Amino acid sequence: QVQLVGSGGGVVQSGRSLRLSCAVSGFTFSNYGMHWVRQAPGKGLEWVAVTSYDGSNKNYVDSVKGRFTISRDNSKNTLYLQMNSLRAEDTAVYYCAKDDGTGGTSFMDVWGKGTTVTVSS
Amino acid sequence: SYEVTQPPSVSVSPGQTASITCSGDKLGDKYACWYQVKPGQSPVLVIYQDIQRPSGIPERFSGSKSGNTATLTISGTQAMDEADYYCQVWDSGTVVFGGGTKLTVL
Repeated sequence: QVQLVGSGGGVVQSGRSLRLSCAVSGFTFSNYGMHWVRQAPGKGLEWVAVTSYDGSNKNYVDSVKGRFTISRDNSKNTLYLQMNSLRAEDTAVYYCAKDDGTGGTSFMDVWGKGTTVTVSS
Repeated sequence: SYEVTQPPSVSVSPGQTASITCSGDKLGDKYACWYQVKPGQSPVLVIYQDIQRPSGIPERFSGSKSGNTATLTISGTQAMDEADYYCQVWDSGTVVFGGGTKLTVL
């Protein structure tokens, strides 16, 4: 059974750091790209970052570039999101998601349960 | 940056057909997919690559595309289909979500 379990969320002061983790099971993690997506309270889905299957390619939404870093440890079947210089607008539920696209497309076929990040000012 | 546009809300009577659109510049050259999000739950992929339905998704969910507009159609809409629906495309190495459409089953 495919499972993605996010963790590491919590309440943090503005300007501080937090690291999210996403433990994966049920599929060959090292074969797939992975994403982080967030949803702020009462708002829509916002894509945050993507990493390729081997971590060699990464991309970010403009609002987190230079502050957030996506990474993965294929030996531990775990995806990470290091979040620095957090702002109130980063408050959201953060989801990790598995990518199932090939060449010219990307879509997320499996999603984790989400972990909540609250940034207090 | 690339944008796709969805109507904020759509209403449908039980048993009727609901259609949710997603429009964007040159969307005809890209693949669209659709997610269903219910309150307090994680998103669920319901359509990918414009028209493909993942296993486990009911047949009443279908996707289509004409020109620069992708459409999610729910035939014989049920009360359980009430949710927010998001279209998503891949553009220049980034993921772009539409603003979401709240489907109300009256």
